[in-house]
Amino acid sequence: EAGVTQFPSHSVIEKGQTVTLRCDPISGHDNLYWYRRVMGKEIKFLLHFVKESKQDESGMPNNRFLAERTGGTYSTLKVQPAELEDSGVYFCASSQEDWARWTGDTQYFGPGTRLTVL
Amino acid sequence: GIQVEQSPPDLILQEGANSTLRCNFSDSVNNLQWFHQNPWGQLINLFYIPSGTKQNGRLSATTVATERYSLLYISSSQTTDSGVYFCAVEATGGFKTIFGAGTRLFVKA
Repeated sequence: EAGVTQFPSHSVIEKGQTVTLRCDPISGHDNLYWYRRVMGKEIKFLLHFVKESKQDESGMPNNRFLAERTGGTYSTLKVQPAELEDSGVYFCASSQEDWARWTGDTQYFGPGTRLTVL
Repeated sequence: GIQVEQSPPDLILQEGANSTLRCNFSDSVNNLQWFHQNPWGQLINLFYIPSGTKQNGRLSATTVATERYSLLYISSSQTTDSGVYFCAVEATGGFKTIFGAGTRLFVKA
């Protein structure tokens, strides 16, 4: 079974440009999460999808970030326009529906997309 | 590439007991972070600890970078401590971050 995949693995763009990151969760996983690690800082939560709905987007830094999950399958995270401070690594994770503290599945993490804004 | 192993994979405790979770990594790291997965599946940062010891209430963590491991201590466990605990390491020389598979903790009342 394929794991969580992310594309691209690395993106280099100039300030002001737009970048779209993609995450393909494990098939059948309804929960999808985005996290990011800005250089030199800790990993932080961005948002959580349950199927196609945004369960929690409290971690989104500002309105330059837009996440979608059409059809409840893959998800995209668009940064428009990108700023220098957006550089970092963006992680995606997925887990099965009806996650429970004990009986549910753990999260499975993708390899991350490294974003460099020049 | 760098490997991250967490142990034990599953742990059941009686409320009030203490526990130690371990995170081993196979190479030098820049940073290490411990998380607790909340009931909605979101990762909550516990410690950002590339080396040394930190404490926050009943939780503390120690990373011995030279020996390539980190420990998360939970004292006087409570039912609300139940969940999955992850460690994530940032490999040296780049932006590569690897997550462990997690330790599932269940604290019984």
